[in-house]
Amino acid sequence: EAQVTQNPRYLITVTGKKLTVTCSQNMNHEYMSWYRQDPGLGLRQIYYSMNVEVTDKGDVPEGYKVSRKEKRNFPLILESPSPNQTSLYFCASSSRTETMNTEAFFGQGTRLTVV
Amino acid sequence: GEDVEQSLFLSVREGDSSVINCTYTDSSSTYLYWYKQEPGAGLQLLTYIFSNMDMKQDQRLTVLLNKKDKHLSLRIADTQTGDSAIYFCAERGGSSNTGKLIFGQGTTLQVKP
Repeated sequence: EAQVTQNPRYLITVTGKKLTVTCSQNMNHEYMSWYRQDPGLGLRQIYYSMNVEVTDKGDVPEGYKVSRKEKRNFPLILESPSPNQTSLYFCASSSRTETMNTEAFFGQGTRLTVV
Repeated sequence: GEDVEQSLFLSVREGDSSVINCTYTDSSSTYLYWYKQEPGAGLQLLTYIFSNMDMKQDQRLTVLLNKKDKHLSLRIADTQTGDSAIYFCAERGGSSNTGKLIFGQGTTLQVKP
């Protein structure tokens, strides 16, 4: 079954304690990205990756890092989480075409609370 | 800049039609999407429309695009309680071709029995 898997689904952590949210896709997609969803703001892109070892900032990258060492995995790293990073996070992947008009597949989401 | 706007809430009775509206600013957008998010779940692509189309119909769903006014709508015929969810309008950031999806705030559809 084609899917994007995020872990964990729920996480409560304390300010400053480094954490990683994993994302894995089994569709051999080149393009992967991270979004955060906040009430009244919709989804905003944090980082994206066009292919292995190619990553770039989205609209709200501050406080986040990513890596793309393998095609299937795209972890999101919070080196020193702060309460304003409390949010619902989604990983998405899609196949890459010249027009990027392909469907994006989303993970189930990770609800992060930073206290 | 690129921006997508939606109303936040819509309430309808079961069996009625629902119309969810969206406006966008990026005139270079080539594809516009509607996603559905059920409680506790990720986003599911419902339908999309190419910018050279005015209308697309898929079973109970009808998408209308007014490119001149940059207005997109999703009509759900015979709305059911299972249609209760948040609906997001989105466009691909056409001018940058980075593949970024730009989302509206989401419209919460409440269907009353």
